Amino acid sequence: NAGVTQTPKFRILKIGQSMTLQCTQDMNHNYMYWYRQDPGMGLKLIYYSVGAGITDKGEVPNGYNVSRSTTEDFPLRLELAAPSQTSVYFCASLLESTDTQYFGPGTRLTVL
Amino acid sequence: GNSVTQMEGPVTLSEEAFLTINCTYTATGYPSLFWYVQYPGEGLQLLLKATKADDKGSNKGFEATYRKETTSFHLEKGSVQVSDSAVYFCALSDPRTNAGKSTFGDGTTLTVKP
Repeated sequence: NAGVTQTPKFRILKIGQSMTLQCTQDMNHNYMYWYRQDPGMGLKLIYYSVGAGITDKGEVPNGYNVSRSTTEDFPLRLELAAPSQTSVYFCASLLESTDTQYFGPGTRLTVL
Repeated sequence: GNSVTQMEGPVTLSEEAFLTINCTYTATGYPSLFWYVQYPGEGLQLLLKATKADDKGSNKGFEATYRKETTSFHLEKGSVQVSDSAVYFCALSDPRTNAGKSTFGDGTTLTVKP
């Protein structure tokens, strides 16, 4: 049982490039989330999903897109990278019976 | 909307000192309250939780009591260790109204010196 896995761990992008951050969970959780964590700050919700085929915007969705074709996978897409997207990105899933979120190890993204 | 306010850090303590990290919240409904811990280079992990007023969550010597009258959920530990050095996040969640989304505080960095 791997929990929530994220790839890659680190990435450097040039301004205007695109990339997809991968997130997979093997706990059969319906709810999944993408957060960004800027230095010294808390987590800001980017997008979330309540099940396969259903996604919705969080606090800071601009510049990002998501899809949820399966229960397990919830990739985050950056289309035109900007320096303001330099951050650490965390994916999480929710065990509904305990209201507890399980986090992946994060992806550290730098946009130069 | 919901919000969580944590005591500002960083906090530096000597080993075996007493720890308090303050957390207050604003929420509609009846949220569950959480403390998550983030060790260097890792994702957040649940430390403890409480789901209703007067509940006490506890784990690894840490405790927090859900105080509805003061809208607080302060984290305490009687004797900290160097291995407790981490960032601590207070959070709330109300899945009945919020699709399981959590609201997080900004985090408090704790450094424990030998």
